[in-house]
Amino acid sequence: KAGVTQTPRYLIKTRGQQVTLSCSPISGHRSVSWYQQTPGQGLQFLFEYFSETQRNKGNFPGRFSGRQFSNSRSEMNVSTLELGDSALYLCASSPGLAGRGVDTQYFGPGTRLTVL
Amino acid sequence: GDSVTQMEGPVTLSEEAFLTINCTYTATGYPSLFWYVQYPGEGLQLLLKATKADDKGSNKGFEATYRKETTSFHLEKGSVQVSDSAVYFCALSNFSGTYKYIFGTGTRLKVLA
Repeated sequence: KAGVTQTPRYLIKTRGQQVTLSCSPISGHRSVSWYQQTPGQGLQFLFEYFSETQRNKGNFPGRFSGRQFSNSRSEMNVSTLELGDSALYLCASSPGLAGRGVDTQYFGPGTRLTVL
Repeated sequence: GDSVTQMEGPVTLSEEAFLTINCTYTATGYPSLFWYVQYPGEGLQLLLKATKADDKGSNKGFEATYRKETTSFHLEKGSVQVSDSAVYFCALSNFSGTYKYIFGTGTRLKVLA
């Protein structure tokens, strides 16, 4: 099976702009989670989507939003970018089905966002 | 709430040394436990997992045993190589209506030739 893919791999934006990141999960996986990774804060959970619905949410401002399409692909949007949004954004997919035993997350390579 | 605590890094070892990275957790119910590894410039890769008490996960010479009595999942390897230099994350997955994942802060391992 193909792994989790993320596009683009690198982005450079300026403050105030907005950005959209894309994630294609492993075929058959219905859950997609997004994480922000920075040297200072480590790995922080943004949100999880399952069957086009946001199922879990972390503690990020409303500038961070996401959506999931019927084919389970997901996008994450950050509006009004700030310098502190510079980070590696990771997407992870899993089957996400309750009652089916262990649910293992598989990560993509990430999108490196730099805000100038 | 659920949490994962892992030892602070960086850990610096010589090649062929024995590795232990400590991980303890707090969780209700019966979580699954994971170790992920992140090489420079890449995403996290699943290294091994264990789904119930006394299970041992193993992969690429790494091992970890799910110890419910001590709420631990320590990562070990008998002889590290320079190529093992990476950041290692301990994580748990727990089900409470939906699956939730909790990651530790990561431990950087540097192996010197």
